This record gives sequence, C-alpha cells and structure tokens, in this order.
Amino acid sequence: DAGVIQSPRHEVTEMGQEVTLRCKPISGHDYLFWYRQTMMRGLELLIYFNNNVPIDDSGMPEDRFSAKMPNASFSTLKIQPSEPRDSAVYFCASSFGIEQFFGPGTRLTVL
Amino acid sequence: AQSVAQPEDQVNVAEGNPLTVKCTYSVSGNPYLFWYVQYPNRGLQFLLKYITGDNLVKGSYGFEAEFNKSQTSFHLKKPSALVSDSALYFCAVMGNNDMRFGAGTRLTVKP
Repeated sequence: DAGVIQSPRHEVTEMGQEVTLRCKPISGHDYLFWYRQTMMRGLELLIYFNNNVPIDDSGMPEDRFSAKMPNASFSTLKIQPSEPRDSAVYFCASSFGIEQFFGPGTRLTVL
Repeated sequence: AQSVAQPEDQVNVAEGNPLTVKCTYSVSGNPYLFWYVQYPNRGLQFLLKYITGDNLVKGSYGFEAEFNKSQTSFHLKKPSALVSDSALYFCAVMGNNDMRFGAGTRLTVKP
C-alpha cells in the first residue's frame, strides 16, 4: 500500500485566494482525520470522519474552513478565503482501529 | 476531555546513553496512549501504543514506554540513544475516537 497520499505537497498562495488540500486515505480505513501543525499551536485536530461522515468538526478554526469526504477514498480540506495566519503544515491521517497513519503533509504558505 | 502534557520542550543526550522523553496524560476511563516520531519535513510515524496488558510496551527502533497508572505517565525510553534518533517526539492520548497530541519534545542526540 502507498500509505496516505496528500496533494499538493507544497502550496503558496496569496491572501484571499481559495485553497484546496487533498487526501487519499489507506484503502479499507474507515476513519479520516485532518490536522494542522504550527510552531505556535503544535498539532491540532481539525475534523475527523467515520465512514465518510463528519463526526467532530469542533477543531475547525472558523467558517472559512470546510472539509468533505465524498467517498471512502478521497477527502478535501478547503480554505476560502485564505489568510496569512492559515500558513501551516496540514496533515491527513487514516485509521482502521486504534493506530493512525499519517500522510506526508501539505505545507501551505499564504502571502 | 483527554489531554497530554510533555513537560520538556527539548531533551539532549549523548550517543550511547539512555534517553527518556516524558509524558503525562489525563483521560476519563481507560487510556489509549501512543508515541509518534516526526523527522524533518515528514509526517508522523507510529512508534508504539498502550491499550491494555503489560505496563512496558516495546515499539519500533528499540524504543519502549512504561505505562504508570498511579502517576498517569507514559514515558518513552531507549537504553542506548543513536544520533539518528534525533527528531520531534509526540505523545498522544485517544478518547472518543479522536486523538490529542502533546506539544512535542525535540530530542537531540549528540555524537
């Protein structure tokens, strides 16, 4: 298995633009998680899905952030409009059971 | 809600010496505890987990962790550190299917 796949690996955009981050979980996993990592706040859980259904989105910072999981093999995290304070590394992880497997992350820079 | 604390931002050890990275947790009910390692520009990699059973858990790369219920701790240990162990280490606790991470401890092993 290729593991959790995230794209793009790096994204540089200007303030106000829409950003879409993508994730392909490991086949057969029924949980998918989105995390954000910054120096100031560490690793934060944004939202997670179970069987494509959002279970807890209390970590989503504000309405500019949205996440979808249209099927078991794909999820997106969208930021619209983006702001410089959204600059971070965004990780996707999936699991079947207890252990979570992380993707390589998307490094987002908002200028 | 569950939480973990990693009291040390940084740990420095000499190669060949034993290392300990500390973690304490707070959770209602039985804890599910984890250690992850993050190398530069990479996602998190699973090291080990405690679900139930023996208090001493053995994991990847020669690491082990000791679960101590009375002290609510789950310290990560290795008998003999390698320079290649230098990385960022995260302790995590799971409750209600979502995982909460500590702030991370940067381990530096010097030759």
